[in-house]
Amino acid sequence: DTGVSQDPRHKITKRGQNVTFRCDPISEHNRLYWYRQTLGQGPEFLTYFQNEAQLEKSRLLSDRFSAERPKGSFSTLEIQRTEQGDSAMYLCASSPGKSQGEKLFFGSGTQLSVL
Amino acid sequence: QQQVKQSPQSLIVQKGGISIINCAYENTAFDYFPWYQQFPGKGPALLIAIRPDVSEKKEGRFTISFNKSAKQFSLHIMDSQPGDSATYFCAASPAYQLIWGAGTKLIIKP
Repeated sequence: DTGVSQDPRHKITKRGQNVTFRCDPISEHNRLYWYRQTLGQGPEFLTYFQNEAQLEKSRLLSDRFSAERPKGSFSTLEIQRTEQGDSAMYLCASSPGKSQGEKLFFGSGTQLSVL
Repeated sequence: QQQVKQSPQSLIVQKGGISIINCAYENTAFDYFPWYQQFPGKGPALLIAIRPDVSEKKEGRFTISFNKSAKQFSLHIMDSQPGDSATYFCAASPAYQLIWGAGTKLIIKP
């Protein structure tokens, strides 16, 4: 399977703990995106990478959130000092990077529950 | 100005019927309008997309109608099947990020 993979699929943590999620995009894709989705809502944009460069970050994103994409391959999303409001599905997507509006390929997400 | 408003929130359609979901946007800078389908426990998957230089795009049973002057676009699913039961999201793109609607939960009754 050469789709976007995310790990772990589920994460349960206690408030105040740090968590890290991993995303492996489709190998030839240059762009990588992180979105957050809560129940009954559409995905909310968090951040976007072109190769290893983080080009855009949502202004709504707390500084407790940080993302990296070393060497332009896989990406990690870290949430420090988790809060109950961080409970959501965290989705990673990748795209070829050939045009401004193009098909995003999503992974199945990491479901985070903060107790 | 960054919002995309989607309706209805939920929709029940008989098998073989036409499912219609509507979206409206405000920002005239949006230039890419995709529809995504999402099944429980999965990420969204692109269904069909349109750019504002055309008023309609059809792919199989799925059609997007686009009204630039009204700033509205809609998804039509012809001959709806039980396998189409899913949540559908419209979105609009001003640049590299997508602005998403809140979703429509579609149920096709056999």
